[in-house]
Amino acid sequence: EVQLAQSGAEVKKPGESLKISCKGSGYTFTHYWIGWVRQMPGKGLEWMGIISPADSDIRYSPSFQGQVTISADKSINTAYLQWSSLKASDTAMYYCARRDYYDAGSKFDYWGHGTLVTVSS
Amino acid sequence: DIQMTQSPSSLSASVGERVTISCRASQTINFFLNWYQQQPGKTPKLLIYGASNLQSGVPSRFSGSGSGTDFTLTISSLQPEDSATYYCQQSFSALTFGGGTRVEI
Repeated sequence: EVQLAQSGAEVKKPGESLKISCKGSGYTFTHYWIGWVRQMPGKGLEWMGIISPADSDIRYSPSFQGQVTISADKSINTAYLQWSSLKASDTAMYYCARRDYYDAGSKFDYWGHGTLVTVSS
Repeated sequence: DIQMTQSPSSLSASVGERVTISCRASQTINFFLNWYQQQPGKTPKLLIYGASNLQSGVPSRFSGSGSGTDFTLTISSLQPEDSATYYCQQSFSALTFGGGTRVEI
């Protein structure tokens, strides 16, 4: 069974750093890109970026370029999303999702349960 | 960037009714359009990919159509468990989502 297990909820202060994780199981981790999606409280889904665990090729949404860092460690089937200096506006639920292909398109077919990040002084 | 615009932003319908949700892309995306359902407090779930292909395990009352810039998600007979927010997503260039449509029963 395909599963994406995300790390637990975090409460941080503005200016602190943070790294959250997404561990894949039940499939060959390096065969599928992993994407990150933000959902701010009461708002919609925003695509942040995507990484190929096979070679760490990364594509960022222009809205998130320079704001976060996406990485992966294929030896432990885990992708990461990190911040060097959190802001209150980073408060949100963050989902990871597996990207699968069809024809020349792609879809997020499996999703993690989400990691709630709260940034407050 | 390709912008995705959904309409309406919310709707209310009765059980058994037919519901349609629209999604428009700011430029042509061929048929590279996906639909997701997010029930309150839950993780998003893939319903439709490639504009009209039903994801495995999704009830047949859900269907998708369209190509180019205009797409539609249809629920043929609304059920209580369909109360959710629905999002379109393009995969022609990057993976941007629409703003969502909340469906209330």
